[in-house]
Amino acid sequence: AQKVTQAQTEISVVEKEDVTLDCVYETRDTTYYLFWYKQPPSGELVFLIRRNSFDEQNEISGRYSWNFQKSTSSFNFTITASQVVDSAVYFCALSEASGTYKYIFGTGTRLKVLA
Amino acid sequence: DGGITQSPKYLFRKEGQNVTLSCEQNLNHDAMYWYRQDPGQGLRLIYYSQIVNDFQKGDIAEGYSVSREKKESFPLTVTSAQKNPTAFYLCASSRDIMGYEQYFGPGTRLTVT
Repeated sequence: AQKVTQAQTEISVVEKEDVTLDCVYETRDTTYYLFWYKQPPSGELVFLIRRNSFDEQNEISGRYSWNFQKSTSSFNFTITASQVVDSAVYFCALSEASGTYKYIFGTGTRLKVLA
Repeated sequence: DGGITQSPKYLFRKEGQNVTLSCEQNLNHDAMYWYRQDPGQGLRLIYYSQIVNDFQKGDIAEGYSVSREKKESFPLTVTSAQKNPTAFYLCASSRDIMGYEQYFGPGTRLTVT
């Protein structure tokens, strides 16, 4: 069965700390895609990154980095030197490439960055 | 600017009334989606559409209806049959249905009393 688990419901950090948000997925497909989205207090989800199952290279974008490990079925997201503006709910998602449409969101991790 | 618009931002209705939420995109995307989000919860898929004149039920379609007569528009009607309609509704679109990132609108917060 397909599943996305974000075990951390809420994380609080002090500004400038590094923080890692965990995402563990389950799928039987060999071809799939993983995503991270940010939902700030305004409510609109913002797309952050897409990664396909054949590309295990880590990605860095400014203070954001992503670690994809197929061996542990994880796609973790790290924010370096966190800022108050990073406070939001972050969702991990999985999309399979075969069969009927499946796009599964995790339950989200609420990140609070304190000044 | 390309994007997705949803209107209105806030909507209030009396119980027993149908209400239609608007969603328009100018991204030239084929696929569109409607999600419901309850406080402190994740997203639940209501309906999705892969292409014009086609749509499929998601996980919680009961009490909702949609249409997809134009590529850029995917309105959602919350009918009186929906038991708990008060929620935050998010519309999204993507280039295709498989494997692409979704772009979201700002959402409509519906309150039914």
